[in-house]
Amino acid sequence: KQEVTQIPAALSVPEGENLVLNCSFTDSAIYNLQWFRQDPGKGLTSLLLIQSSQREQTSGRLNASLDKSSGRSTLYIAASQPGDSATYLCAVQGGKLIFGQGTELSVKP
Amino acid sequence: EAQVTQNPRYLITVTGKKLTVTCSQNMNHEYMSWYRQDPGLGLRQIYYSMNVEVTDKGDVPEGYKVSRKEKRNFPLILESPSPNQTSLYFCASKSTGGLGNTIYFGEGSWLTVV
Repeated sequence: KQEVTQIPAALSVPEGENLVLNCSFTDSAIYNLQWFRQDPGKGLTSLLLIQSSQREQTSGRLNASLDKSSGRSTLYIAASQPGDSATYLCAVQGGKLIFGQGTELSVKP
Repeated sequence: EAQVTQNPRYLITVTGKKLTVTCSQNMNHEYMSWYRQDPGLGLRQIYYSMNVEVTDKGDVPEGYKVSRKEKRNFPLILESPSPNQTSLYFCASKSTGGLGNTIYFGEGSWLTVV
């Protein structure tokens, strides 16, 4: 059974810092991995989708990597801003879409 | 604009009173799904649908029903709501044209059963 773990559960950083969020999964037989952002009381917004054959995807200040063999993905956020404060979730797509529990990020001005 | 629309966004109801949460998408997606999100448990799938008239159970289907009579709509039905169904509910959709398609989520429906 696929399990997705995100560490840390919460993270607080000063504005401008580069940071890395981690996601690990137990079954490497996946089609893709997605990173989402969730603002309080809101739905999930897809940030990046990495196909199983890809190693990384980039969008603006965000870079997501995927290492299937080790069951790990990272989301790198460069030059963090207070507007980046949100919960970040990763999800792996195998037969089902399985979500991690998220990392709550707070960027302090 | 690509959208998944859920209604109602907020609802307080009483135990046993049937309710329906509607979900509609405007992207002609084949796949639609319902999730509930609870503190400490994350997002869990309730039901999903691969296409019209094709539905299947997710991880936590007990106490819920769904139907998919039209491609754009996927309502979630609580026949006899109970307090343990108090949760934040999300509808989602995606195309099944490939293996790497982005999934789109609605804004969520806050349901409280008293």
